[in-house]
Amino acid sequence: AQKVTQAQTEISVVEKEDVTLDCVYETRDTTYYLFWYKQPPSGELVFLIRRNSFDEQNEISGRYSWNFQKSTSSFNFTITASQVVDSAVYFCALGDYGQNFVFGPGTRLSVLP
Amino acid sequence: DTEVTQTPKHLVMGMTNKKSLKCEQHMGHRAMYWYKQKAKKPPELMFVYSYEKLSINESVPSRFSPECPNSSLLNLHLHALQPEDSALYLCASSPRDTTYEQYFGPGTRLTVT
Repeated sequence: AQKVTQAQTEISVVEKEDVTLDCVYETRDTTYYLFWYKQPPSGELVFLIRRNSFDEQNEISGRYSWNFQKSTSSFNFTITASQVVDSAVYFCALGDYGQNFVFGPGTRLSVLP
Repeated sequence: DTEVTQTPKHLVMGMTNKKSLKCEQHMGHRAMYWYKQKAKKPPELMFVYSYEKLSINESVPSRFSPECPNSSLLNLHLHALQPEDSALYLCASSPRDTTYEQYFGPGTRLTVT
């Protein structure tokens, strides 16, 4: 069965600090997809990134970057120079071709001014 | 248009009522989803329609009944719910299946009395 673990339940940082959110996954599939979503206090889930299991290149999008390491089954997310608007719950997720999709438990990030 | 709409925003129903939740997308996506999210928990996948074919989560009680009239519309029929079914119900869509990014609606906040 698929499983996603986010060990950090809550993180607090001061604005402009860098922060890394950890994600570890388990699957028996060789082909799978990993995702990150953001759920701000307003409640609506926002898609951030999709990565397939064969693409281990790191990705950067503005202040966001992702590090995928298949050897350790991890897909970590770093926010550089955090801002108050980054405060949200962040979910890592795993999807496969068998119509399975599972979210991790989420990490609540608070960025203090 | 990258919007998924859901109605109603809020719903209060008694345990003997029958009600329906509605979801619509006009992005040409061929997969649509229902999730249940309890407070401080991740969304849990209930149902997937991919190319209008239903994939059932065996753990979902039969008092929840999905319907996909066409590729743009998704309904969730509710009957004889229990107070523990009170939650935020999220609809999402994706281009094909669970290997693609999902776009979420704002959700319906359901309270069962």
